[in-house]
Amino acid sequence: QQKVQQSPESLIVPEGGMASLNCTSSDRNVDYFWWYRQHSGKSPKMLMSIFSNGEKEEGRFTVHLNKASLHTSLHIRDSQPSDSALYLCAASRGSGTYQRFGTGTKLQVVP
Amino acid sequence: EAAVTQSPRSKVAVTGGKVTLSCHQTNNHDYMYWYRQDTGHGLRLIHYSYVADSTEKGDIPDGYKASRPSQENFSLILELASLSQTAVYFCASSLDTYAEQFFGPGTRLTVL
Repeated sequence: QQKVQQSPESLIVPEGGMASLNCTSSDRNVDYFWWYRQHSGKSPKMLMSIFSNGEKEEGRFTVHLNKASLHTSLHIRDSQPSDSALYLCAASRGSGTYQRFGTGTKLQVVP
Repeated sequence: EAAVTQSPRSKVAVTGGKVTLSCHQTNNHDYMYWYRQDTGHGLRLIHYSYVADSTEKGDIPDGYKASRPSQENFSLILELASLSQTAVYFCASSLDTYAEQFFGPGTRLTVL
């Protein structure tokens, strides 16, 4: 069964610092990756998706994907206390196959 | 904006009792999902559906049934609730499996 591994389990960064989160799939047929953010007591909301090798940037958030190693990473620069949340990575093979989620990285940004 | 609603928002059930969780979406999405979330387990897929009157098993379907009577509605049924089913349950919808999922607010279920 495909597994999605995330690391680290938890991360503390200072306000204004860089947070780096990692995600790897064990399924060599995975084609699509998503990053969702879940604030405490709330539901997950999609942050970014990436389907092609390379990098994608949206504001303070950058996602990298290396399809050969089935590894994606999320980088948050100039981290803010409002970025404190659980970050979930999801992967799927494509149309007709559901997304599988990792266990998440809990990010805490301290003033 | 896409809207997924769930009811009830919280529920306390007794062991062995029947529990029904309901989900309604106004996104006109074909795909709907039920997940459970436990500390340390992220989101685990229980059942999903891509068309009315049809449901599919996810990764952890044992002890759960699902029903999709219409495109907008998707229910999760626990026929005999057990202590191990205490969790937060999320419903979600999406246009396709490779599209963004929109989540409901969640239902906190406590089985005593």
